[in-house]
Amino acid sequence: KQEVTQIPAALSVPEGENLVLNCSFTDSAIYNLQWFRQDPGKGLTSLLLIQSSQREQTSGRLNASLDKSSGRSTLYIAASQPGDSATYLCAVSGANSKLTFGKGITLSVRP
Amino acid sequence: DVKVTQSSRYLVKRTGEKVFLECVQDMDHENMFWYRQDPGLGLRLIYFSYDVKMKEKGDIPEGYSVSREKKERFSLILESASTNQTSMYLCASSLYDSSGVNEQFFGPGTRLTVL
Repeated sequence: KQEVTQIPAALSVPEGENLVLNCSFTDSAIYNLQWFRQDPGKGLTSLLLIQSSQREQTSGRLNASLDKSSGRSTLYIAASQPGDSATYLCAVSGANSKLTFGKGITLSVRP
Repeated sequence: DVKVTQSSRYLVKRTGEKVFLECVQDMDHENMFWYRQDPGLGLRLIYFSYDVKMKEKGDIPEGYSVSREKKERFSLILESASTNQTSMYLCASSLYDSSGVNEQFFGPGTRLTVL
């Protein structure tokens, strides 16, 4: 059974810092990996999707990488801002389109 | 932009009531999903549907049923609400894509409280 782990559960950084959020998964037979952002009490917003054949995806200050063979992904946030404060979740998809989620990393960016 | 809407943001019901949560997507997606999210447990899949009138159980289907009579609408039904079903419920949809893209888009969530 696929398991997705995100450590640490919470992170606090000063504004302007570049940071890396980690995600690991146990079964490398994935179709894609998706990173989401969730603000308190709200739904999930898709940030980036990396297909299994890809190594990375970029959107603005965000860059996500995927190493399928080692079961790891990272989300890199450049020049962090207080508005980046949220919970970041990664999820992996198998052949049946079902997603398995990590429990998320709650990020706080201090002004 | 893909839009997934849920009928209520907040809902308060009493134990034993029958509860309907509605989800509508406007992008002609084949796949639709219902999750619940609880502190410390993360997101867990309740049910999903690949097509109209098709449904499959997720990881925690007990106490729930679903209905998909039209492609754009996927309903979650709590037959007899219990306090342990107090949770945030999230609906999502995705296009069927054999190449494996299948990006999921989420609605805003319904915070259900069962008293």
